[in-house]
Amino acid sequence: DTGVSQDPRHKITKRGQNVTFRCDPISEHNRLYWYRQTLGQGPEFLTYFQNEAQLEKSRLLSDRFSAERPKGSFSTLEIQRTEQGDSAMYLCASRRDRAGNTIYFGEGSWLTVV
Amino acid sequence: DQQVKQNSPSLSVQEGRISILNCDYTNSMFDYFLWYKKYPAEGPTFLISISSIKDKNEDGRFTVFLNKSAKHLSLHIVPSQPGDSAVYFCAASSTQGGSEKLVFGKGMKLTVNP
Repeated sequence: DTGVSQDPRHKITKRGQNVTFRCDPISEHNRLYWYRQTLGQGPEFLTYFQNEAQLEKSRLLSDRFSAERPKGSFSTLEIQRTEQGDSAMYLCASRRDRAGNTIYFGEGSWLTVV
Repeated sequence: DQQVKQNSPSLSVQEGRISILNCDYTNSMFDYFLWYKKYPAEGPTFLISISSIKDKNEDGRFTVFLNKSAKHLSLHIVPSQPGDSAVYFCAASSTQGGSEKLVFGKGMKLTVNP
């Protein structure tokens, strides 16, 4: 059973550029989550999909952030006009319906904005 | 406000001894709790969970205790092994609130010395 896969693992970008992260959830996991983690903090919830529907968004998800899951499989998280404060690890997680509230994380995508 | 608190930033124990990691929460709507372990530059790995209908859950060397009246949970690792050295995150959710969000503490660094 392959785990949650995230790409790229590391990204360095200049302030003002756009970046996109991709997440492939565990096969047959229809629920997909994005979290963000900064140094010294725990992961913070950004958004959640059930199949292709985006059902919940955090206030942390400013209008520069957009997430999609067009076919209910992989998901992308795009950050437009990046700022230094966007530097963080972006974590994707997934789970199946009716499988409890335990979610399984990928290895994360590190973003450094310079 | 910090709804899930891990007040001790670090703990150091000897190999073979017990490690006790503590977590407090403030939101009485939380009814499902999880512990994750995280190595540097990797995503969090699920360890163990507990529902509020229980006060104890055990899985091998890991046991989680829940004290609802005190809004406190703890993770016991017995015996501790050097490979357990990592950052441990406590997380909580409300399964009745309609939100899929997990709320994490800031983490606690465990060091197990050989």
